[in-house]
Amino acid sequence: DAKTTQPPSMDCAEGRAANLPCNHSTISGNEYVYWYRQIHSQGPQYIIHGLKNNETNEMASLIITEDRKSSTLILPHATLRDTAVYYCIVRATKTSYDKVIFGPGTSLSVIP
Amino acid sequence: DTEVTQTPKHLVMGMTNKKSLKCEQHMGHRAMYWYKQKAKKPPELMFVYSYEKLSINESVPSRFSPECPNSSLLNLHLHALQPEDSALYLCASSLDAPGQGTHGYTFGSGTRLTVV
Repeated sequence: DAKTTQPPSMDCAEGRAANLPCNHSTISGNEYVYWYRQIHSQGPQYIIHGLKNNETNEMASLIITEDRKSSTLILPHATLRDTAVYYCIVRATKTSYDKVIFGPGTSLSVIP
Repeated sequence: DTEVTQTPKHLVMGMTNKKSLKCEQHMGHRAMYWYKQKAKKPPELMFVYSYEKLSINESVPSRFSPECPNSSLLNLHLHALQPEDSALYLCASSLDAPGQGTHGYTFGSGTRLTVV
């Protein structure tokens, strides 16, 4: 699986958009970008995934660059409940070596 | 039912004890997973079950023994653990078996294990 690089921590003001970057410069053509988050003392929660097109759901938007070497998760109006560790994962979906492997992630603090 | 349920939530065991962790899902998911998470670290994959058969063992010591009795239930049997095995043990499930789809994983809240 391709490795990802994320900043270890970020702050965001409550009510503002939180933009979490992820670099995955060695991503292969068949690998998807997934985002999960883990609120303290809970299990990880799936947020969104994409291959090459931008994606949006009720939780967030995912913007993938045209060369697919990086992506940004956008939480449009961050709340205190969005304080969590956010994991960007590249996954070889639909292959024989499909696994979800977590990196260190970004610890997002939403500040009142 | 859209949850993965793990029991117990907390477990303290001695190094000579035998205990089991239990995980259940009733979403018809075809794959189930065990992860281990140490404090302030990301979850680490331990085992993958696909259609009730063990498909991946990430070189986990034999003192951890997984079992999948049916499509809804996943157990992790523990024997002769060490204090360094103390961690949060997370179970997850996914609709698709590995390599067959793109659905995300649904995680339980975990069992916090302390080995004394």
